[in-house]
Amino acid sequence: EVQLVESGGGLVQPGRSLRLSCAASGFTFDDYAMHWVRQAPGKGLEWVSGISWNSGSTGYADSVKGRFTISRDNAKNSLYLQMNSLRAEDTALYYCAKGGDSSSSPFDYWGQGTLVTVSS
Amino acid sequence: IQLTQSPSFLSASVGDRVTITCRASQGISSYLAWYQQKPGKAPKLLIYAASTLQSGVPSRFSGSGSGTEFTLTISSLQPEDFATYYCQQLNSYPVTFGPGTKVDIK
Repeated sequence: EVQLVESGGGLVQPGRSLRLSCAASGFTFDDYAMHWVRQAPGKGLEWVSGISWNSGSTGYADSVKGRFTISRDNAKNSLYLQMNSLRAEDTALYYCAKGGDSSSSPFDYWGQGTLVTVSS
Repeated sequence: IQLTQSPSFLSASVGDRVTITCRASQGISSYLAWYQQKPGKAPKLLIYAASTLQSGVPSRFSGSGSGTEFTLTISSLQPEDFATYYCQQLNSYPVTFGPGTKVDIK
């Protein structure tokens, strides 16, 4: 059974940093791209960042480019999102999602999310 | 690439046929997926490549379209289908989602 478990969320002040983690199991992690998607309270889905299976390719939404960094550790079956210079508008539930073997593959499994609240 | 969905909200009854439209600001071939999200839950993949049903998804769900216009159809709405539906384009980065269509009980 595929499982994605996010952690690392919490309350953080504007301008500070936070690192999210996603522990994956139930599939061959290093075969697939992975993504972060967020959802602000009461709002729609926003793709944040994605990374290829071998970390050779990454992508970011314009809203987080230069502030967030995605990475993965295939030996630990883990995905990360380093979030710096956090803003109030980054407040959201952050989902980890499994992609496919190409950049055009859909997101077939999602975690339950970890909540990030940016507030003073 | 911007995605728009219509309607943004629809009220329907069990057994109704429901159609949701997603339009892309430029051509995306068939690189479109549809997701269903229920309150407090993660999104669930329904359809990918515009018309391919994800494994385990009931056959009352179907998708069509290519280029810039796509549709999601639920042939006979069931109680468990009341949810919000999002389209997603995977033609190019950044990946984008539509704003969502909430399907509510009439």
